[in-house]
Amino acid sequence: QQQVKQSPQSLIVQKGGISIINCAYENTAFDYFPWYQQFPGKGPALLIAIRPDVSEKKEGRFTISFNKSAKQFSLHIMDSQPGDSATYFCAARSTFGDGTTLTVKP
Amino acid sequence: GAGVSQSPSNKVTEKGKDVELRCDPISGHTALYWYRQSLGQGLEFLIYFQGNSAPDKSGLPSDRFSAERTGGSVSTLTIQRTQQEDSAVYLCASSLAYSSYNEQFFGPGTRLTVL
Repeated sequence: QQQVKQSPQSLIVQKGGISIINCAYENTAFDYFPWYQQFPGKGPALLIAIRPDVSEKKEGRFTISFNKSAKQFSLHIMDSQPGDSATYFCAARSTFGDGTTLTVKP
Repeated sequence: GAGVSQSPSNKVTEKGKDVELRCDPISGHTALYWYRQSLGQGLEFLIYFQGNSAPDKSGLPSDRFSAERTGGSVSTLTIQRTQQEDSAVYLCASSLAYSSYNEQFFGPGTRLTVL
C-alpha cells in the first residue's frame, strides 16, 4: 500500500515557467512533509519542508502549499531554470513518493 | 564537514553471491536509514537505526537482507544469495536523531548490479 502518491511522473517546463508537483498522503499521523531534490548520480538533498500547522511555506523560488483536509501538498517552483532540472521527491516522514523528473528547457 | 559516505560506489556481482554495502554517517548523527532506489522508481525504505538498534525491520524485502550498525556509527547492509531483482541503487542517510523533523542527509549511494 503506497502511502504517498506523487504526480506527475515527469514534467517539462520552459525556462521562466512555473513547475508544479503534487503529492497526496493517506496517514493522518504524518506530521512533517519534506521535499527532496536529486541530481543524477547524487543522493537526494532536502529542498524545503513544511509542518501541517501552516498552509504555505516559501523559500526563494520554492513554495510548498499544504491542504490538511485534502491530505495533499504541492511544490511550486517559480521562474523555473535549467539548473532546476532534477528529480523531486515528496515525503511524509520516511515514506517517499515515486519522484517527478523535471526538465526545464532553455 | 564530511557528509555521508558509502562504499563501494559501484558493485557488480554474480547471481547467488553475497554482497556487503557500507555506510559512514555524519559524525554525531544517531539515526541512520537505508533505502533502495530502483531505476526510475522512488525511494523504498528498508530499515532505520537509532543508535545500534533497528526497531523496525519490516521494510527489508526478504530474509536475504540484513543490516547492522556498530558503535553507533558505521552500518553494513548485507544481501545474501543476490538475485537480479536486487539490482538497484542503495542509499544511506543519517540524521541527528530519529524524529519526523530532522533532516536526513543522504550519501551518494551504491549502485548494485547483479548479473
